[in-house]
Amino acid sequence: EDKVVQSPLSLVVHEGDTVTLNCSYEVTNFRSLLWYKQEKKAPTFLFMLTSSGIEKKSGRLSSILDKKELFSILNITATQTGDSAVYLCAVEAVTGGGNKLTFGTGTQLKVEL
Amino acid sequence: DGGITQSPKYLFRKEGQNVTLSCEQNLNHDAMYWYRQDPGQGLRLIYYSQIVNDFQKGDIAEGYSVSREKKESFPLTVTSAQKNPTAFYLCASSISETGWVDEQFFGPGTRLTVL
Repeated sequence: EDKVVQSPLSLVVHEGDTVTLNCSYEVTNFRSLLWYKQEKKAPTFLFMLTSSGIEKKSGRLSSILDKKELFSILNITATQTGDSAVYLCAVEAVTGGGNKLTFGTGTQLKVEL
Repeated sequence: DGGITQSPKYLFRKEGQNVTLSCEQNLNHDAMYWYRQDPGQGLRLIYYSQIVNDFQKGDIAEGYSVSREKKESFPLTVTSAQKNPTAFYLCASSISETGWVDEQFFGPGTRLTVL
């Protein structure tokens, strides 16, 4: 059974801090790893990583994948209150009936003034 | 505007009743997905469909049914056989020309409460 584990489950930081969110996985026929941000309702896409060791960056957010050690990290620098959300990690597996995502339980991030 | 719509936003149902959740997309995406999210949990896959008239069971398909008669629409029926249906339901779609997931776009969700 495919498995995605995120840590920590939740954390509270002050504005301006840097945070690192972790995602480890066990998946048969791995194809990609995706990060999403979920505030109130629908998750919004952040990154998709398919290659090991190549950092993806968007503003203050960045992510990297290690396919040998089976994990990914999401970094957020100079955090702002608007970064408060649940961050979801998902792993795509290749299946006979079409590829599908397995999600972790998420990391709840709260950024305080 | 292109996107995914789900209706209704909130749904209340009595125990023992079937209920159908709507999901429509105008992104011309081939693949569509249904997830369930419980408090403090990640998303769990219920059903997914790569093309019209074909769909696959996800990890928690028991008590649910779907149809994919049109590319734009992927309705989910929560049957009375689903033991714990109260949850937040999210529909998603992706391009999937190759069968790969690529980026999934999510609808706003339907919160179902069974009374």
